[in-house]
Amino acid sequence: EVQLVESGGGLVQPGGSLRLSCAASGFTFSSHWMHWVRRAPGKGLVWLSCINNDGSSTSCADSVKGRFTISRDNAKNTLYLQMNSLRAEDTAVYYCARAQGYYFDNWGQGTPVTVSS
Amino acid sequence: QSALTQPASVSGSPGQSITISCTGTSSDVGSYNLVSWYQQHPGKAPKLMIYEVSKRPSGVSNRFSGSKSGNAASLTISGLQAEDEADYYCCSYAGSSTWVFGGGTKLTVL
Repeated sequence: EVQLVESGGGLVQPGGSLRLSCAASGFTFSSHWMHWVRRAPGKGLVWLSCINNDGSSTSCADSVKGRFTISRDNAKNTLYLQMNSLRAEDTAVYYCARAQGYYFDNWGQGTPVTVSS
Repeated sequence: QSALTQPASVSGSPGQSITISCTGTSSDVGSYNLVSWYQQHPGKAPKLMIYEVSKRPSGVSNRFSGSKSGNAASLTISGLQAEDEADYYCCSYAGSSTWVFGGGTKLTVL
């Protein structure tokens, strides 16, 4: 069974940093592109970033470019999202998702991030 | 990277059919047959319902169907059931390894 478990969320002050993790199991992690998506309170899903299967190529949305960095450790079956210079508008539940081609076939339960002083 | 446009809400009675529209541009929906749809119940993870415009993953009811014409895609749910009440999101590949979601549609089963 495919499992994706996010962790690392919490309360952080504006301007602060957090690193989210997504532990994968039940499939060959190194064979799949992986993505981060978030949902702010009362808002919709927003695609944030993706990384190819071996970690050599990444892409991200303009809204987080220069502040968020996606990475992965295939030896540990873990995906990461380093978030710097956090703002109140980054408050959201952050999901990792496994890609199958150009769609997301499995999602984690999400980890909440609150940016507030 | 503007969000795809979806109606904020739709509603229908049990047994009826509803359609949720998803309007993009020639740079995303119009350029690729790579539209997917996700269902999200409150407090739960999103669930893939339709991929590549009209394909259904194993285990998803055939009451769910998808289509596309030009820069717009749509999700149709037939034979509405109470369990279908949820938020629905379309998503399209937008080129250069970027994706864009719609703003989401809240489906209410009356």
